[in-house]
Amino acid sequence: GAVVSQHPSWVICKSGTSVKIECRSLDFQATTMFWYRQFPKQSLMLMATSNEGSKATYEQGVEKDKFLINHASLTLSTLTVTSAHPEDSSFYICSAPPLQSNTGELFFGEGSRLTVL
Amino acid sequence: EDKVVQSPLSLVVHEGDTVTLNCSYEVTNFRSLLWYKQEKKAPTFLFMLTSSGIEKKSGRLSSILDKKELFSILNITATQTGDSAVYLCAVERGSTLGRLYFGRGTQLTVWP
Repeated sequence: GAVVSQHPSWVICKSGTSVKIECRSLDFQATTMFWYRQFPKQSLMLMATSNEGSKATYEQGVEKDKFLINHASLTLSTLTVTSAHPEDSSFYICSAPPLQSNTGELFFGEGSRLTVL
Repeated sequence: EDKVVQSPLSLVVHEGDTVTLNCSYEVTNFRSLLWYKQEKKAPTFLFMLTSSGIEKKSGRLSSILDKKELFSILNITATQTGDSAVYLCAVERGSTLGRLYFGRGTQLTVWP
């Protein structure tokens, strides 16, 4: 079945540094990918829609200069958390709908847990 | 403001019990409602519902949508310990396929 891979699974960084998280669709192409964050015991919150070849669309309240999204190809989207602070510590997860899907099924990556010290 | 509300937030049952999980929503430009199971990391897809009154079934799980009353239920019969997980309800809005808004989830614990 379709697989979405995220890397890294875990990352610990110092406050003020930037962290890049990759989301790859391994056996299908995706013109759009979605980035979510999830705090402990909370739900997934949609951050932005990553669009291949164009600018990402951010949800209300999400800082686009803080969370840089790049979708350079039909199989790769990256999320860069710039100048990370402890409050950015969270579980970040991406999803991708296959270009040709008639079931509505979306595929999620395994997530990336970011801890900012 | 768009809302997706799940209840109960947590539920503890014994193996063999039947459970009903609820999801109500208030969103603009509704497209579909989806159920996911999240055990450790990535949510796994269960159902997508777009039409009222049509039950979707997969083994011991079933789900139905009521677009008039704006809610959906997820039923699990003869629960097993492996059903222990967080069950997430999400609503897809607008024209962008895959853009989901999630509820907080129901934490289901099944004891042997």
